[in-house]
Amino acid sequence: DTGVSQDPRHKITKRGQNVTFRCDPISEHNRLYWYRQTLGQGPEFLTYFQNEAQLEKSRLLSDRFSAERPKGSFSTLEIQRTEQGDSAMYLCASSPGGGQRETQYFGPGTRLLVL
Amino acid sequence: LAKTTQPISMDSYEGQEVNITCSHNNIATNDYITWYQQFPSQGPRFIIQGYKTKVTNEVASLFIPADRKSSTLSLPRVSLSDTAVYYCLVGDGFSGGYNKLIFGAGTRLAVHP
Repeated sequence: DTGVSQDPRHKITKRGQNVTFRCDPISEHNRLYWYRQTLGQGPEFLTYFQNEAQLEKSRLLSDRFSAERPKGSFSTLEIQRTEQGDSAMYLCASSPGGGQRETQYFGPGTRLLVL
Repeated sequence: LAKTTQPISMDSYEGQEVNITCSHNNIATNDYITWYQQFPSQGPRFIIQGYKTKVTNEVASLFIPADRKSSTLSLPRVSLSDTAVYYCLVGDGFSGGYNKLIFGAGTRLAVHP
């Protein structure tokens, strides 16, 4: 257990539905990242928060995706009008902030299946 | 960011030493080499990081030759629990002031009894 938690761990939804995932980082960590991982591939960067500010979004993050970190603590990732191609593991990671090459601590992920 | 090349998979037996080599021919002067481990249904976990020569911790050793165009992760006396995917990452860790990790497909290590 890294101290990063994600909820839910699994989600099955039908195409076209909206889903929301939550990430609770290690409490003193300023930096929070979301990644997506499909079967047989490594995680792909989606977005990054420094406290409550979203500072970078990957081009993988289409308009149907939105992420927030309202109080600089937990974060949510919402996918609207889900598509089958959204099926993947969504990983959250956090790091302390303020240093280079910081170790990122990953949560267990939320596995999404879109039918 | 430098591209990395690793074997897709490796097999070993309990008690053996496993060496996983990663090629990164275009590594830049400021780049560090970092390895993460991922078990099924879990997020990746940091193993080790180095810049040159040799780094050792309680989990693994990392060997980096003088030209830094490759690196080797060494796992001593593996056990069944070391079965996982191992990712080699290269970067300066300071892209825009933070560390955006760029993963490849990794090496799937299977340890057999």
